[in-house]
Amino acid sequence: SQQGEEDPQALSIQEGENATMNCSYKTSINNLQWYRQNSGRGLVHLILIRSNEREKHSGRLRVTLDTSKKSSSLLITASRAADTASYFCATDTSYNTDKLIFGTGTRLQVFP
Amino acid sequence: DAEITQSPRHKITETGRQVTLACHQTWNHNNMFWYRQDLGHGLRLIHYSYGVQDTNKGEVSDGYSVSRSNTEDLPLTLESAASSQTSVYFCASSPGTGYAGELFFGEGSRLTVL
Repeated sequence: SQQGEEDPQALSIQEGENATMNCSYKTSINNLQWYRQNSGRGLVHLILIRSNEREKHSGRLRVTLDTSKKSSSLLITASRAADTASYFCATDTSYNTDKLIFGTGTRLQVFP
Repeated sequence: DAEITQSPRHKITETGRQVTLACHQTWNHNNMFWYRQDLGHGLRLIHYSYGVQDTNKGEVSDGYSVSRSNTEDLPLTLESAASSQTSVYFCASSPGTGYAGELFFGEGSRLTVL
């Protein structure tokens, strides 16, 4: 069963706009990660946020985590056409395992 | 540079045939994983390994097997391919330091079972 569910499933915006994707999960976690997948390629790690962190930044990426609501959001600021990709959240399931469970992803289209 | 490679990248086979997808990583990572990706399901874990001679079933392991005879390789075998196994398969690895760190993915193997 899926641990994470992303929302929305698809998002279309213009270059320069901000894109926000949300992820909800079911069980307690230690870490939540976001990955990006360009069409026809493998996934690439973007950012990891630990359960005791509330917000993390990396370049134009901002991730928030609300463990009380079991949800996370990924914000991409000043989006570019090159940001067009699918974005996945992934969570671990218990401490001391390296097994990640992925959500179904958000497909982002950024129009020039 | 260290990397993770999958082969073949594309394969077409017939129902009932045995198929093996190769995965080779040069990071010396302990953990290796196989996922399948299907529309509407995201990535689902098939099998994983925490080290040599260690293998574990994921959430969709039926019809698949893996073996880990060395650190670098985790081949995925479909014993008798079925049309339901048509999918894109991704191999990934991670250092295995006691927590779910960053996964490094291969480029995927697209398998079509006719």
